[in-house]
Amino acid sequence: EPEVTQTPSHQVTQMGQEVILRCVPISNHLYFYWYRQILGQKVEFLVSFYNNEISEKSEIFDDQFSVERPDGSNFTLKIRSTKLEDSAMYFCASSFPTSGFTDTQYFGPGTRLTVL
Amino acid sequence: EDQVTQSPEALRLQEGESSSLNCSYTVSGLRGLFWYRQDPGKGPEFLFTLYSAGEEKEKERLKATLTKKESFLHITAPKPEDSATYLCAVQAGSNYQLIWGAGTKLIIKP
Repeated sequence: EPEVTQTPSHQVTQMGQEVILRCVPISNHLYFYWYRQILGQKVEFLVSFYNNEISEKSEIFDDQFSVERPDGSNFTLKIRSTKLEDSAMYFCASSFPTSGFTDTQYFGPGTRLTVL
Repeated sequence: EDQVTQSPEALRLQEGESSSLNCSYTVSGLRGLFWYRQDPGKGPEFLFTLYSAGEEKEKERLKATLTKKESFLHITAPKPEDSATYLCAVQAGSNYQLIWGAGTKLIIKP
């Protein structure tokens, strides 16, 4: 069964460093997403990406964040200068819109980012 | 503001003891309500999508229902392997983003 994969599973970085989190969405999916979950808190939406551009973003997704689909299979989230409060699980998701406008998003296993 | 609230926060049941989890929502223009299961340290695993009031879906010991204000996840004769956090999320308006509840942590004791 197709699945979303993410690498690395755990990333430790120093405050102020840049990190790139990588995702391989399900191959025929068209929409790609990043969410994060701070330990013990709700899952939060960061950004959605369709047709090689950002379609929605939240207030969390500020200038420190960027996304890219560098080739036909990978989808990346870059955090330019990490802060302590960026420590969280980051989940990638993908979907293939059916039912007109509603889609089911399938999630990867996550990357745990620890900022020291 | 769109909001999703889940209750209870935690639920402990004996194996075989059936119960229900609640997800209430306040959104403008619901397009879909989603149930996911999340094991510790893992990503959300898709369970159900519900689109309109009155809809029901079943999978093994789980059954999800939807009204205009809330959704229930009924678990029948649960087993210890059903222990997990169950998350509810909605899509609304013209957005594709999911708006999440805080989850219900379900513990099934043998």
